[in-house]
Amino acid sequence: GQNIDQPTEMTATEGAIVQINCTYQTSGFNGLFWYQQHAGEAPTFLSYNVLDGLEEKGRFSSFLSRSKGYSYLLLKELQMKDSASYLCAVLDSNYQLIWGAGTKLIIKP
Amino acid sequence: GAVVSQHPSWVICKSGTSVKIECRSLDFQATTMFWYRQFPKQSLMLMATSNEGSKATYEQGVEKDKFLINHASLTLSTLTVTSAHPEDSSFYICSARLGQEVGEQYFGPGTRLTVT
Repeated sequence: GQNIDQPTEMTATEGAIVQINCTYQTSGFNGLFWYQQHAGEAPTFLSYNVLDGLEEKGRFSSFLSRSKGYSYLLLKELQMKDSASYLCAVLDSNYQLIWGAGTKLIIKP
Repeated sequence: GAVVSQHPSWVICKSGTSVKIECRSLDFQATTMFWYRQFPKQSLMLMATSNEGSKATYEQGVEKDKFLINHASLTLSTLTVTSAHPEDSSFYICSARLGQEVGEQYFGPGTRLTVT
């Protein structure tokens, strides 16, 4: 079966750095996405990795290792508005998105 | 950027009635649209995939006669929840994809359905 694992909840302090991990086992791989979702809202796109390595985009960076079936999302200089759920999703061989359950990130002052 | 709209944003209906939710891609033509359902504190659950001009492909466990999907044009897909029950109360989100190999999906803002 297809499986994506990420921690259920994480807590971090404003101004700090947090890393959210995601491991996956899917039938085929055509890229991995990270989305941010605030409560009651639809997900918004953060990043897309299809090759190994680190992609940096402002305060957010995403890393992928295809051989390990592993990715992480790194958030720097945390702000209170970063409190949200972060969803990891993999595009499988049929170009369908397989979703993780999401990681709820709580930012404390 | 690509924008997807949904209407209505929220709806309250009585048990046994039907509700239609519209999903529109405003500035691009979406060859494929997806319908998701999300219960509180849970991740998105794909309900069905629809391609313009063809029948939707439903995920296992999703009743096609209850959740009617019509993808009449490259910019519009509709989801009709027929004979709604309180357990159908959920957050329904659509997304649209430009082409087969473009991975990014553009999400609509979602529709909050409450069945009383």
